[in-house]
Amino acid sequence: GAVVSQHPSWVICKSGTSVKIECRSLDFQATTMFWYRQFPKQSLMLMATSNEGSKATYEQGVEKDKFLINHASLTLSTLTVTSAHPEDSSFYICSAVGQGFFGYTFGSGTRLTVV
Amino acid sequence: AQKVTQAQTEISVVEKEDVTLDCVYETRDTTYYLFWYKQPPSGELVFLIRRNSFDEQNEISGRYSWNFQKSTSSFNFTITASQVVDSAVYFCALSEAFVGNAGNMLTFGGGTRLMVKP
Repeated sequence: GAVVSQHPSWVICKSGTSVKIECRSLDFQATTMFWYRQFPKQSLMLMATSNEGSKATYEQGVEKDKFLINHASLTLSTLTVTSAHPEDSSFYICSAVGQGFFGYTFGSGTRLTVV
Repeated sequence: AQKVTQAQTEISVVEKEDVTLDCVYETRDTTYYLFWYKQPPSGELVFLIRRNSFDEQNEISGRYSWNFQKSTSSFNFTITASQVVDSAVYFCALSEAFVGNAGNMLTFGGGTRLMVKP
């Protein structure tokens, strides 16, 4: 079945530093990647949508200069949290869709803690 | 705009009880997909079911069953004879029909935290 590998699974970083999260589709070509953020005891909120080779589309209220998304290939998308602050501490999870529609494949998530 | 509402934020049951998780959705599209996911404490999302808007047949998979009713825009999920391992957060989600290769976003409900006590 379709698999998306997300790394790292958890990361602790100092305030002001940048963190990169990777999502790779292992056995299919991900034409679209979605990035979600989930705060404790809350639902998943879409941050941005990226199509391979195009600039990401960000949801209202999400700072595109802070959350850099790159989807340069059909198998890799990255989310970089720049100048992280404690309020960016959250669970980040990616989701990929391939050609046609066989559903959404989710990564296992990244728990980011900014200290 | 699409919206998914899960009115029950938390449900607590005793093992072996049946439990139904409610999901109500809103969409202007006639073609759409509905999903249920389970999120255990580890955080990963476990896919449970996908249903398209043209298929109103109810589905049963082991102890799980789903009731899709377009007339009430509901897609409810029932766990029969609940077990402690069913304890998790359950999300209902909706996506509108795809156009070409540009996937449409998945909109999640607020989630229902199910606690099954021994």
